[in-house]
Amino acid sequence: SQKIEQNSEALNIQEGKTATLTCNYTNYSPAYLQWYRQDPGRGPVFLLLIRENEKEKRKERLKVTFDTTLKQSLFHITASQPADSATYLCAARRSSNTGKLIFGQGTTLQVKP
Amino acid sequence: EAGVTQFPSHSVIEKGQTVTLRCDPISGHDNLYWYRRVMGKEIKFLLHFVKESKQDESGMPNNRFLAERTGGTYSTLKVQPAELEDSGVYFCASSQDRTGEKLFFGSGTQLSVL
Repeated sequence: SQKIEQNSEALNIQEGKTATLTCNYTNYSPAYLQWYRQDPGRGPVFLLLIRENEKEKRKERLKVTFDTTLKQSLFHITASQPADSATYLCAARRSSNTGKLIFGQGTTLQVKP
Repeated sequence: EAGVTQFPSHSVIEKGQTVTLRCDPISGHDNLYWYRRVMGKEIKFLLHFVKESKQDESGMPNNRFLAERTGGTYSTLKVQPAELEDSGVYFCASSQDRTGEKLFFGSGTQLSVL
């Protein structure tokens, strides 16, 4: 079955370092991958979208890559801050004519001062 | 601009009862989605409205779930009768276009069925 997999273990890093989160997909060929941030008790908040024909996308301190050979997306937060602590969700969409997303379970990031 | 609002934020009901969740999308957003996260699992798609029409309801678990969007504005999701396995967080999201390129999520309704 179609599956989006993220590291279920929490990621703990020191402030100022780069956080790297992984999203792998199986039995699936998404046309788009999206990354969302979720804080406790809140809904996901959209961060970045990358298309299958794009290798890399950047937005301020965020960078996302999409490797269709490895079937993987990497999400980087550079110069991390304690305020970046949250759960980060990877979501895939098959094509442009559907809004249906398949989510991973999310990876919790803890940035320590 | 006002975001996606969901009501209630929490609901505790007994098995066999009925619960109705409400979602008000961002004004002007024709596309409305319902998602659900049960404990320990990932967020899963339930259905997608375009205005008042159901575009995709492939994620609806069974016929105990009924979603409506009369008039193409707010939406309701009714669970009748509720079962224990229906417990979880129900999220509503909206987007301006049907590609769902950027979804705006509400804070969710935490449903507990006892």
